[in-house]
Amino acid sequence: AQSVSQHNHHVILSEAASLELGCNYSYGGTVNLFWYVQYPGQHLQLLLKYFSGDPLVKGIKGFEAEFIKSKFSFNLRKPSVQWSDTAEYFCAVTLYNQGGKLIFGQGTELSVKP
Amino acid sequence: DGGITQSPKYLFRKEGQNVTLSCEQNLNHDAMYWYRQDPGQGLRLIYYSQIVNDFQKGDIAEGYSVSREKKESFPLTVTSAQKNPTAFYLCASSVRDSLNTEAFFGQGTRLTVV
Repeated sequence: AQSVSQHNHHVILSEAASLELGCNYSYGGTVNLFWYVQYPGQHLQLLLKYFSGDPLVKGIKGFEAEFIKSKFSFNLRKPSVQWSDTAEYFCAVTLYNQGGKLIFGQGTELSVKP
Repeated sequence: DGGITQSPKYLFRKEGQNVTLSCEQNLNHDAMYWYRQDPGQGLRLIYYSQIVNDFQKGDIAEGYSVSREKKESFPLTVTSAQKNPTAFYLCASSVRDSLNTEAFFGQGTRLTVV
């Protein structure tokens, strides 16, 4: 079965540190890729998405992600985190022609210390 | 404004009772989805529907039931057969079966069994 794996369950960083959250998926066909964020007590929000084209995708709040097809990876990065980035981050994929049916990773909880 | 409305935001249920979670969308989307979120497990698909009067089981359908009598509505019933119903439930919708599409999420319902 197709799956999505996020490497880190909980990441703790100090403000201004750089962030990279790993995401790998297991599916050999065409995929759409997403990163969602859930701030404490809030609903799920889309950070960025990749459908096709430039594999380096820029999202909201200074986040970016790079799709490396050969590695089945879609890692999320931010050069300098802020305390307000404290949240849970989810990587997700949809398979070709399955519309919005998402397969999610387990989530990574990010804590940023001021 | 277009969007997805889930109600109620918080729901308490006694053991042995069925409870129905509401999900309504005015995005004119054909496809709708129900996910369950548990700590450390990401979001898992319960049921989805690509068109009115049709729906399919997701990965964790046992103990749940749905209906899709109207395009705008996709209620989820958590039955007494669901062994561990306390969770955060998210509804989503999308364009049906399109390659480059994304799902839009409601704000969720937190169900607690007391």
